[in-house]
Amino acid sequence: GAGVSQSPSNKVTEKGKDVELRCDPISGHTALYWYRQSLGQGLEFLIYFQGNSAPDKSGLPSDRFSAERTGGSVSTLTIQRTQQEDSAVYLCASTPLAGGRQFFGPGTRLTVL
Amino acid sequence: GIQVEQSPPDLILQEGANSTLRCNFSDSVNNLQWFHQNPWGQLINLFYIPSGTKQNGRLSATTVATERYSLLYISSSQTTDSGVYFCAVEPRDSNYQLIWGAGTKLIIKP
Repeated sequence: GAGVSQSPSNKVTEKGKDVELRCDPISGHTALYWYRQSLGQGLEFLIYFQGNSAPDKSGLPSDRFSAERTGGSVSTLTIQRTQQEDSAVYLCASTPLAGGRQFFGPGTRLTVL
Repeated sequence: GIQVEQSPPDLILQEGANSTLRCNFSDSVNNLQWFHQNPWGQLINLFYIPSGTKQNGRLSATTVATERYSLLYISSSQTTDSGVYFCAVEPRDSNYQLIWGAGTKLIIKP
């Protein structure tokens, strides 16, 4: 596609439920990043995928968070047993190569009640 | 780890004014990027500028890597320039992660 897309744009869930957030990177981009942004704050790195290499998971805040990238393209971020502190905007970015210029999707706003 | 500091934290200007936003970083970097987050939350990559000067319309950026700072210039501000401007750097020893500054919140008044 022309840009990075994310779905859903908004997600409201109850505490304890699992959620899945999806990211479609720009076609041909080999690197994909997930970030979290709490209200009025900067970006917090979560996880990074580069081609077929093992992902860099060093930013995941707990083992309730996981992500996968299928076929080197679409990525899914899963949050299990959601907590209220998980409420934030989850942003995805892709780059044509590792360390390149990052292009962001519109984000998914997650609200945990 | 590397520290990234942006200044000023907040800036309010009248339409038509010029502004300079600063990003200081505490160690050597592979690259530096400037982003604009509009009031609706969309992040736009403005510049990929590990060193030197680049210009794009009314915006320009200069990175002096040896002195560990970068400047973003906005000339003839428009209300659509409002939002938060982030600087992000990739440290030399990183695994392609970006370290983000806290941002400068810019409000342009008509």
